Amino acid sequence: DVKVTQSSRYLVKRTGEKVFLECVQDMDHENMFWYRQDPGLGLRLIYFSYDVKMKEKGDIPEGYSVSREKKERFSLILESASTNQTSMYLCASSLSLLFGAGGTDTQYFGPGTRLTVL
Amino acid sequence: GNSVTQMEGPVTLSEEAFLTINCTYTATGYPSLFWYVQYPGEGLQLLLKATKADDKGSNKGFEATYRKETTSFHLEKGSVQVSDSAVYFCALSESAGGTSYGKLTFGQGTILTVHP
Repeated sequence: DVKVTQSSRYLVKRTGEKVFLECVQDMDHENMFWYRQDPGLGLRLIYFSYDVKMKEKGDIPEGYSVSREKKERFSLILESASTNQTSMYLCASSLSLLFGAGGTDTQYFGPGTRLTVL
Repeated sequence: GNSVTQMEGPVTLSEEAFLTINCTYTATGYPSLFWYVQYPGEGLQLLLKATKADDKGSNKGFEATYRKETTSFHLEKGSVQVSDSAVYFCALSESAGGTSYGKLTFGQGTILTVHP
């Protein structure tokens, strides 16, 4: 089974702190994604990565950055946390859809990190 | 751009009732369609999917049919259980292949509560 793990289930930080959220997948997936989940808004894509050191902005990248130094690990960084970044953060991974890679568009999710910024 | 609209919740049912959660979409090309489920305190997990028009996805007694003519992918279950209480998300992918990277667009989610 695909396993996606996230470094923390719950996190409490103060305004202005730098926050790192880590995600690791064990299925050699090329694609990795970071979402935030808020009531009534569903999941919104923050950033995604389709290969090591490659990253693309999603729908709401402002206030966030990402890092992918190894294929299995994708980090979300809040450079200076603010109260409006209090949310549930979900990481996901999937195989590549690029021609010849033989992947599918099914994404596999981690358990989520509930971040509270005070 | 792509979008997904789900029926507003929350939905509250008694055990063994029939469930329908409506989902309609707007997309270019030929997206794949998904239903994901999120149980309390957990991440999302794939419930079912359909990759082309008239395909029916099914799993755990849930079904959904890809209707291109009505751009819909409604989720149904004939007899719900208390254990089905969760949040359900409808989603679509950009067209497979090329440089789509398999990004998903999600609906806002529908909270289902089933009472004994």
